[in-house]
Amino acid sequence: KQEVTQIPAALSVPEGENLVLNCSFTDSAIYNLQWFRQDPGKGLTSLLLIQSSQREQTSGRLNASLDKSSGRSTLYIAASQPGDSATYLCAVTNYGGATNKLIFGTGTLLAVQP
Amino acid sequence: EAQVTQNPRYLITVTGKKLTVTCSQNMNHEYMSWYRQDPGLGLRQIYYSMNVEVTDKGDVPEGYKVSRKEKRNFPLILESPSPNQTSLYFCASTLTSGSSYNEQFFGPGTRLTVL
Repeated sequence: KQEVTQIPAALSVPEGENLVLNCSFTDSAIYNLQWFRQDPGKGLTSLLLIQSSQREQTSGRLNASLDKSSGRSTLYIAASQPGDSATYLCAVTNYGGATNKLIFGTGTLLAVQP
Repeated sequence: EAQVTQNPRYLITVTGKKLTVTCSQNMNHEYMSWYRQDPGLGLRQIYYSMNVEVTDKGDVPEGYKVSRKEKRNFPLILESPSPNQTSLYFCASTLTSGSSYNEQFFGPGTRLTVL
């Protein structure tokens, strides 16, 4: 059974710092991995999708990497800003199933202090 | 604007009173699904639909029904809500199932409280 873990559960950094969020999964047979951002009481905003054949994806100050063989992904945020404060979730879609079900980690709560 | 919409955004109801949460997407996506999010349990899939008239159970389907009569709409029905269905509900959609290209898009969420 696929399990997704995110470490740390919470992180507080000063503005301007570069930071890394970690995501690990137990079954490497995945279609893709997606990073989301969730603001308090709000919906999920897709940040990056990494297909199983890819090693990384970049969008602005965000860079996500994928090491499928070791079951790990990282989300790198450069030059953090207070507006980056949110919960970050990673989720995988298992290969071989037709359900497209996303299996989520429990999230990392990020606070960027001005 | 490409989006997934849900209504209502907030709902307080009483045990046993049937309710429907609507979900609509304007991206011509085949695949739609419902999740609930609970503290300590994260997001779990309730039901999904691979296309019109094709629906199936997710991980936590008890107490819920769905229908998919049109491609754009995927309502979630609680025929007899109970307090343990108090949760934050999300609708999601993606182009097709079983592909590595499929980025999934979520609606803004519906916060449901059942008294």
